[in-house]
Amino acid sequence: AQTVTQSQPEMSVQEAETVTLSCTYDTSENNYYLFWYKQPPSRQMILVIRQEAYKQQNATENRFSVNFQKAAKSFSLKISDSQLGDTAMYFCAFMKVNTDKLIFGTGTRLQVFP
Amino acid sequence: DAGVIQSPRHEVTEMGQEVTLRCKPISGHNSLFWYRQTMMRGLELLIYFNNNVPIDDSGMPEDRFSAKMPNASFSTLKIQPSEPRDSAVYFCASRRQGGKNIQYFGAGTRLSVL
Repeated sequence: AQTVTQSQPEMSVQEAETVTLSCTYDTSENNYYLFWYKQPPSRQMILVIRQEAYKQQNATENRFSVNFQKAAKSFSLKISDSQLGDTAMYFCAFMKVNTDKLIFGTGTRLQVFP
Repeated sequence: DAGVIQSPRHEVTEMGQEVTLRCKPISGHNSLFWYRQTMMRGLELLIYFNNNVPIDDSGMPEDRFSAKMPNASFSTLKIQPSEPRDSAVYFCASRRQGGKNIQYFGAGTRLSVL
C-alpha cells in the first residue's frame, strides 16, 4: 500500500522569505501523480501544484515549485516570496496512474509572519 | 464556472438522527468523490463514482453510511443513524476524466453530532 509522510507538523516563515515543506512517499509503482493541496482557514482544499512521475522536470506555478526526487521518493514544496495569504495547512498527496484514489499525508501547518 | 457546491456548510444534529449531505459537482465532470477529514485519521476517501456509478466504496466506514448519485449533477451522502464519532468535515470533489487527474474540492460540510 502507498503511504505519504509529512514529517513537519508546523512551519513558520517571515513574509517575503522562502520556505520548503517536506513530503516523502512509499510506493512500488513507477507511474503516478503527486500533488500539493492548500487548505486555508476557510477550509477549502485548493490545488497548488501537480507533478507527473514520468516527467523529470520539476513543476512550477508562479511562486510555488517542487523538488521531485523519484529515486528518493521525495516531493518537497518550495514557496518563494511568502505572503500572508500563504498561511494554511498544506497536504501532499499521491495517486497511482489509472486509479482515482488520492492518498494524503497528515499535513503541515504553515504560518507566515509579517 | 462555479466550483463544487456542497450543502449545508454546517450541520449540527443529535445522535440517532439521519443526516444528508449534498454535493453538486462541476459541470462536465464525470467523477465524484466523498472524503472525510478528522484530526485522528486525516483525509480519507469514503467512496467515488464514475459516470454516476459507484466504483469503490471500500472507505465507507459502516452500513450506516450510504451514498447515491442519481444524475451527473447531484450526489448525496447519508448517515443513518448518526453517532458522535461521525463528527468531521465531509468534502466532495469532482474530476473530469482525461483532465490531468486533478480533483477539485468543495468547501466541505462540518458535521457535529451531539
